Amino acid sequence: NAGVTQTPKFQVLKTGQSMTLQCAQDMNHEYMSWYRQDPGMGLRLIHYSVGAGITDQGEVPNGYNVSRSTTEDFPLRLLSAAPSQTSVYFCASRPTLGGSGGYTFGSGTRLTVV
Amino acid sequence: GNSVTQMEGPVTLSEEAFLTINCTYTATGYPSLFWYVQYPGEGLQLLLKATKADDKGSNKGFEATYRKETTSFHLEKGSVQVSDSAVYFCARPHGSSNTGKLIFGQGTTLQVKP
Repeated sequence: NAGVTQTPKFQVLKTGQSMTLQCAQDMNHEYMSWYRQDPGMGLRLIHYSVGAGITDQGEVPNGYNVSRSTTEDFPLRLLSAAPSQTSVYFCASRPTLGGSGGYTFGSGTRLTVV
Repeated sequence: GNSVTQMEGPVTLSEEAFLTINCTYTATGYPSLFWYVQYPGEGLQLLLKATKADDKGSNKGFEATYRKETTSFHLEKGSVQVSDSAVYFCARPHGSSNTGKLIFGQGTTLQVKP
């Protein structure tokens, strides 16, 4: 049971480069989301999706794009990396938007922008 | 409002000591409540959850009871081990937001010494 798989685990980017953080889940969860974790800021929601073809912004969406072409995958794209995007990124999924089901997190991607 | 407050850390205990990490929440209604654990360099793992008042979540020797009278969900373990050293987060769904966002406490670092 793989759960939520994130790749890569570590990445170093130069300012201005673009890249895609991958997230895949095999639990048939409708709801998927991206958080960033920063010291002193806790976890902040970047984008989320309530099903294939549906995405929406969280509290810190600027500089990031997402798409949800399948139920399983929810990639996060950094369009032009900035040092302020240095963070640890977590993908999380849940059976549905509401209800009592718990959230399953991936192991994270540690991104450094130099 | 919607918030989660955890006791300040770090907490340092000797092996086999009793652990309590306090968590209180504000909410209208009765949201599901979660405890997540983050081991060094890893993602967040769901430790336990409770979906309604008076429920007790338990896992790996940890317990927490959903107490609506005191709006609390304190985490306890009778005998901690060195391997329990980690950061513990209390969390709940945002509730009044339709983003599925999780609201986390600030996290409590637990260090268990042999």
